[in-house]
Amino acid sequence: EAQVTQNPRYLITVTGKKLTVTCSQNMNHEYMSWYRQDPGLGLRQIYYSMNVEVTDKGDVPEGYKVSRKEKRNFPLILESPSPNQTSLYFCASSSRGSDTQYFGPGTRLTVL
Amino acid sequence: GQQLNQSPQSMFIQEGEDVSMNCTSSSIFNTWLWYKQDPGEGPVLLIALYKAGELTSNGRLTAQFGITRKDSFLNISASIPSDVGIYFCAGQLYSTDKLIFGTGTRLQVFP
Repeated sequence: EAQVTQNPRYLITVTGKKLTVTCSQNMNHEYMSWYRQDPGLGLRQIYYSMNVEVTDKGDVPEGYKVSRKEKRNFPLILESPSPNQTSLYFCASSSRGSDTQYFGPGTRLTVL
Repeated sequence: GQQLNQSPQSMFIQEGEDVSMNCTSSSIFNTWLWYKQDPGEGPVLLIALYKAGELTSNGRLTAQFGITRKDSFLNISASIPSDVGIYFCAGQLYSTDKLIFGTGTRLQVFP
């Protein structure tokens, strides 16, 4: 089954404790992206990747890092999480040039 | 960062009623998309629009690409309880993979 998976689905952590949210897709998509969803603000792009080893900042990249060492994986790293990073995070992927982005199920992160 | 203005922010309607929502932008887009997010899940694409003035249907859903390329509309006819969720518009700039999302419309349908 074609899908985007994220882990963990739920995470509660404390300020400053490094964490990684994994994202994996099995559709051989070139383009992958991370979004955060906050009430009243919709989905805002954090980082995106056009292909392996090619990443770039989205609209709200501060406090986040990503890497794209393999085509299928696009982990999101929070080196020193802060409470304002409490949010619902989505990973998405698509074929190059396609308008159809496939979203993962989301990761709800709470930073205390 | 750029965002699209989507309205209304939320709607509470009775089953069987029709629903309209819209999205506006100060930028011109070459593609307009409408997504639905069910509770606890990621957004799923409903309709894609590629030409100014285009009107496209998907079952009870109809969406239009505004003539100015700066807006789009989504209508849902004869709503049913499973229409509940958050609806997002998204604009895509020409020759990019980047989507700009609207702020979302939360729809509640009462039996």
